[in-house]
Order: sequence, then C-alpha cells, then structure tokens
Amino acid sequence: GAGVSQTPSNKVTEKGKYVELRCDPISGHTALYWYRQSLGQGPEFLIYFQGTGAADDSGLPNDRFFAVRPEGSVSTLKIQRTERGDSAVYLCASSPTGGSGETQYFGPGTRLLVL
Amino acid sequence: KQEVTQIPAALSVPEGENLVLNCSFTDSAIYNLQWFRQDPGKGLTSLLLIQSSQREQTSGRLNASLDKSSGRSTLYIAASQPGDSATYLCAVLFSGAGSYQLTFGKGTKLSVIP
Repeated sequence: GAGVSQTPSNKVTEKGKYVELRCDPISGHTALYWYRQSLGQGPEFLIYFQGTGAADDSGLPNDRFFAVRPEGSVSTLKIQRTERGDSAVYLCASSPTGGSGETQYFGPGTRLLVL
Repeated sequence: KQEVTQIPAALSVPEGENLVLNCSFTDSAIYNLQWFRQDPGKGLTSLLLIQSSQREQTSGRLNASLDKSSGRSTLYIAASQPGDSATYLCAVLFSGAGSYQLTFGKGTKLSVIP
C-alpha cells in the first residue's frame, strides 16, 4: 500500500511569513509523529498524535509552532512568523497504534528554507 | 538527558568489506532500538527494529545487536556494496520519555568505494 506522503516536498518562504506543511499517514495508522532534521543532525521530535489529539507536544520549540489532526488522518504542521532558524527538513512518521513495539514509517520530508 | 551517540560520523570502505557501525545510548530503560537508512534528500527507511528483550535482529546482509546493560548497539553489514552508501541513523525509544518519541543519533555517513 501507499506509504507516508508529505507536501510540499520543498518550500521557500520569506522571514516572517506563515507556512503549512501537510502529512498523509499510512491508511489506518492512528499514531502520527512530526520530527525536524537540521543539516548534519539526526531528526528531533516535535509532536505526537494519537488519533485526533496531541498526546505529546513537548518537542515544539515555541508557540509559533502548532499542529492539528482534525479527523485523525491527515495532519498539518503550522509555523507562524517564520525565522531563518526554522529552515530544516520536516519529517512525518506514522505507526499502526502507537505501541512501544512498533516501527515508525517515515515520509520523504518537506524541505523548508526561510530566506 | 537521554542521548544517542553514533561513532564514527563518517566511514569509507572498499566494496566487499564487512563493516560495523556503532551506537551508544545513555539510559538502559528502553522499549526498543531502530536502525534507519537515509539517502541524500530522502526520508528514512527502517532497516531493523530490536525490542528491549532481544539481543539481535537479522535481515539479509544486515545484523543488529543490542546490549542494554552497556547502552550499546552495533549494525553489522556483510559484503558491502556501493548501493549501501547512505547515512545510517540509530534511534532509541526510551521508556521514561512518557510517549513514543524516538531519540536519534546524528548518523554515520557510509561510503562504499567500487
């Protein structure tokens, strides 16, 4: 079946603008995760959804970052007043139920560049 | 703070060699450990997942081991091929984190020279 998809694949924006990044998880997966990967670093956790609710948002760096998953499938990561330091690859992953023994399946990422 | 470290940061080997990538983590209270592969400009592909109760997992030419008590894992690649060239990431699911967020190392960039 189809894997995790993310759109857009690349996004260039200007400092101060608002951006939305979209993630389509594997069909039927209730757990969804957002990570951020800066150049030369491993991915860092941002937020975890179980169904429609954010079960853990402890990785969001500040209140400019917000994510939603209103119907328990597609998720949108929203960044307000973007800063150059927000430039990174934003990765989305999903897993069947969010259990501790599950593999997380990653999408290709959205490369965000803030000028 | 729970951390994952990967050594070396980069590795270059001639085709056909066997090689070992290392991963260490700071807390032995884990649910599992995963090894991923990342190609340039691409997302992550899961290679192997080792549960905390397991000592190793194998898939084809790949073998991953886990020693929880010492906080170490290794990824062994047999008979390396140029197509194995990629960045290999180790990720740990710590059981004290409160949710199922993976903690990643910075990766080892592998180059297999034909």
